[in-house]
Amino acid sequence: GAGVSQSPSNKVTEKGKDVELRCDPISGHTALYWYRQRLGQGLEFLIYFQGNSAPDKSGLPSDRFSAERTGESVSTLTIQRTQQEDSAVYLCASSRAGGTGELFFGEGSRLTVL
Amino acid sequence: AQRVTQPEKLLSVFKGAPVELKCNYSYSGSPELFWYVQYSRQRLQLLLRHISRESIKGFTADLNKGETSFHLKKPFAQEEDSAMYYCALSARFAGNMLTFGGGTRLMVKP
Repeated sequence: GAGVSQSPSNKVTEKGKDVELRCDPISGHTALYWYRQRLGQGLEFLIYFQGNSAPDKSGLPSDRFSAERTGESVSTLTIQRTQQEDSAVYLCASSRAGGTGELFFGEGSRLTVL
Repeated sequence: AQRVTQPEKLLSVFKGAPVELKCNYSYSGSPELFWYVQYSRQRLQLLLRHISRESIKGFTADLNKGETSFHLKKPFAQEEDSAMYYCALSARFAGNMLTFGGGTRLMVKP
């Protein structure tokens, strides 16, 4: 596809369950980002992958959150033992290396924790 | 550490009125500033960047380093401008990692 693809688009889960969110970046984009958007709030940075460098995990809110990326392709964001406050839209974005700062966003994965 | 502040969560104007969405930042180095927009049921997308000094859809933004601001302006708002607007900052030599403000919802009334 031409754009960033995220799945699932919607996920409803019970408190305490683990969830996995997937992001397919634009082909050739070496940088990949995860952001969280809670209802009525702005974008909260979670994690940033750039090529083969160590990821910047400084935005992950707790050790229940983790993310992986295989090479310069797919990334998965895993949330263990979900809590109600994890309910949000999780946005993935990708960009070219050394680019102009333009991030290309996916449509997001809406997570609802009951 | 960098920080972006958008003081207004909601801005409501009438069609044809001027609009200014405020953005202030704090960063000790030389920043690159951007405005992103999210229209209803669409993806978040780049609107404009300060380095290009461009006008997109009638919007302009000037980087004021003295006031550490990057306000977004349009002289005559249109209904189709209604959207969520995010100001963002990229620190030089930090790759493309963007720090976003909290966003301002612009509502343009007919």
